[in-house]
Amino acid sequence: DQQVKQNSPSLSVQEGRISILNCDYTNSMFDYFLWYKKYPAEGPTFLISISSIKDKNEDGRFTVFLNKSAKHLSLHIVPSQPGDSAVYFCAAAIQGAQKLVFGQGTRLTINP
Amino acid sequence: GAGVSQSPSNKVTEKGKDVELRCDPISGHTALYWYRQSLGQGLEFLIYFQGNSAPDKSGLPSDRFSAERTGGSVSTLTIQRTQQEDSAVYLCASSLVVFEQYFGPGTRLTVT
Repeated sequence: DQQVKQNSPSLSVQEGRISILNCDYTNSMFDYFLWYKKYPAEGPTFLISISSIKDKNEDGRFTVFLNKSAKHLSLHIVPSQPGDSAVYFCAAAIQGAQKLVFGQGTRLTINP
Repeated sequence: GAGVSQSPSNKVTEKGKDVELRCDPISGHTALYWYRQSLGQGLEFLIYFQGNSAPDKSGLPSDRFSAERTGGSVSTLTIQRTQQEDSAVYLCASSLVVFEQYFGPGTRLTVT
């Protein structure tokens, strides 16, 4: 039962362009969402989060959009830089439950 | 300051042997999590410790898996009678702010 799905295992984007990573969830009880970034041989690092009371959260080049009716969120990176090449994990949680449910990850490659 | 550390970084063991994986969380973080990432999969929740409360063991895949956290700090994940399907990267995370988890680099376990 995959409650959080990232249907694109990989994405390739040209440097300077916008990268859009997508994530879908099935559990309507989820009310907090996060994105993590992972480089090879390192643990994931927290990138950005959004509560279900919002539909957008922005932090520098990173913006997360939440569409509750579609149970869909996306991460926009603009402009994309070579250092953004990594695996990105979407995660969801029910506040108070303390547990994150992760997607399978999307490998983003930024081409010069 | 120091991040989450895990040891060993790599472990190769024979099927049927027991293994212990160690996690040193960030000082002062009250919550500690164990996940595993199998090849091509997302992060799978295993167990969660919060302060002195009873741990949430709901993610442990079998009774061969156990974990303890001593003195509210260091944690050890033990896998008894290892099987080949236990091969994965085992990740530990700690947090102070709910959901914003800081991950260690992981232990890559290979069962031959």
